[in-house]
Amino acid sequence: DAGVIQSPRHEVTEMGQEVTLRCKPISGHDYLFWYRQTMMRGLELLIYFNNNVPIDDSGMPEDRFSAKMPNASFSTLKIQPSEPRDSAVYFCASRPGGASGITGELFFGEGSRLTVL
Amino acid sequence: GQSLEQPSEVTAVEGAIVQINCTYQTSGFYGLSWYQQHDGGAPTFLSYNALDGLEETGRFSSFLSRSDSYGYLLLQELQMKDSASYFCAVRYVRGSSASKIIFGSGTRLSIRP
Repeated sequence: DAGVIQSPRHEVTEMGQEVTLRCKPISGHDYLFWYRQTMMRGLELLIYFNNNVPIDDSGMPEDRFSAKMPNASFSTLKIQPSEPRDSAVYFCASRPGGASGITGELFFGEGSRLTVL
Repeated sequence: GQSLEQPSEVTAVEGAIVQINCTYQTSGFYGLSWYQQHDGGAPTFLSYNALDGLEETGRFSSFLSRSDSYGYLLLQELQMKDSASYFCAVRYVRGSSASKIIFGSGTRLSIRP
């Protein structure tokens, strides 16, 4: 089974541009998470979904950030407009629910490294 | 709020044993996990403790004391490939929402030959 798939792997853009990051979770996983990793702030939880519904977006830093999950196999994280301080690695992770998810183990994608100039 | 503390760096010798500690403050505590991350890679799950005691998985063991809000990861027979960052992560529940997982700042483990 393929793991969590993220695209693009690398993105370099200029300040003010719109950035869209994409994620395909593992099939059958009920939960999807977006994390951001920087040296200064570590791994921060931005938002998570359960059965395509956003449950907690309290970690989304500003209104410039938005996330959607239109169906069980696809999610996007959008930044508009982007700023240099948004430069980070953005990870998508998924996990199963119910008894299969008893440990809460997160399955991470390889990440999208964003650089905003 | 929720918080986790772990050492920022640890150095050890190949073949030795190393322990990485983690203390946490959280309400609605559910369990403590450990993840490994190599440079440029994604975090990967190592272990999970929901109850007090020691969980062993090969060379790695993880311990939890809920009363002390404390856990540790024990790595034995260290190999050079174990050089990585190790994160403790707390799983907690608020109200009727599903559990959330937040991560500590990570411990960078360097292994000398």
